Amino acid sequence: AQSVAQPEDQVNVAEGNPLTVKCTYSVSGNPYLFWYVQYPNRGLQFLLKYITGDNLVKGSYGFEAEFNKSQTSFHLKKPSALVSDSALYFCAVRVITNAGKSTFGDGTTLTVKP
Amino acid sequence: EPEVTQTPSHQVTQMGQEVILRCVPISNHLYFYWYRQILGQKVEFLVSFYNNEISEKSEIFDDQFSVERPDGSNFTLKIRSTKLEDSAMYFCASSELWRGDYEQYFGPGTRLTVT
Repeated sequence: AQSVAQPEDQVNVAEGNPLTVKCTYSVSGNPYLFWYVQYPNRGLQFLLKYITGDNLVKGSYGFEAEFNKSQTSFHLKKPSALVSDSALYFCAVRVITNAGKSTFGDGTTLTVKP
Repeated sequence: EPEVTQTPSHQVTQMGQEVILRCVPISNHLYFYWYRQILGQKVEFLVSFYNNEISEKSEIFDDQFSVERPDGSNFTLKIRSTKLEDSAMYFCASSELWRGDYEQYFGPGTRLTVT
């Protein structure tokens, strides 16, 4: 069975500071990893994905994430946070053989203060 | 850019009533999914659908739930007799292929409120 853990319910950072939202996963086989963002009363917006290749992937709005196979992690990062980045962030994992089902973490609420 | 659409955006219904949530996936996509998010909780997989058949379903997707592709564009989720605990945001998603490296595109969601 596949699973995703986001160990922090809440992350608070000051505007302009770097941010990290943590994600670890457990799968059988090669993982495909995704980050989504959800603003209040809105749907899920795709941020970035890791499929294969370079462990550092860059996505929308200046976000990036680093795939670390030995630590089974896929932490989301941004060098300089904006107040508008405040939202709920979900990490998700898929594997090649499961009819495309995504398994999501519990979500992390990011609050960026001015 | 093509997108997944869902209607209605908000549905209020009484316990025991049937509801149908509608989705229009991206036109060249072949795989369709429903997910559920109870307020403040994680997004949970309900069902995947391909070639007019369910590919996989979760334990949440019991006999009260059904999915259908009634025509070439719509994909629906029916809840036969709604319960209070069915109140949630329901997301439809579609992807070109089933493989995990193919991105799922999510719709904006339908907020279902059961009273």
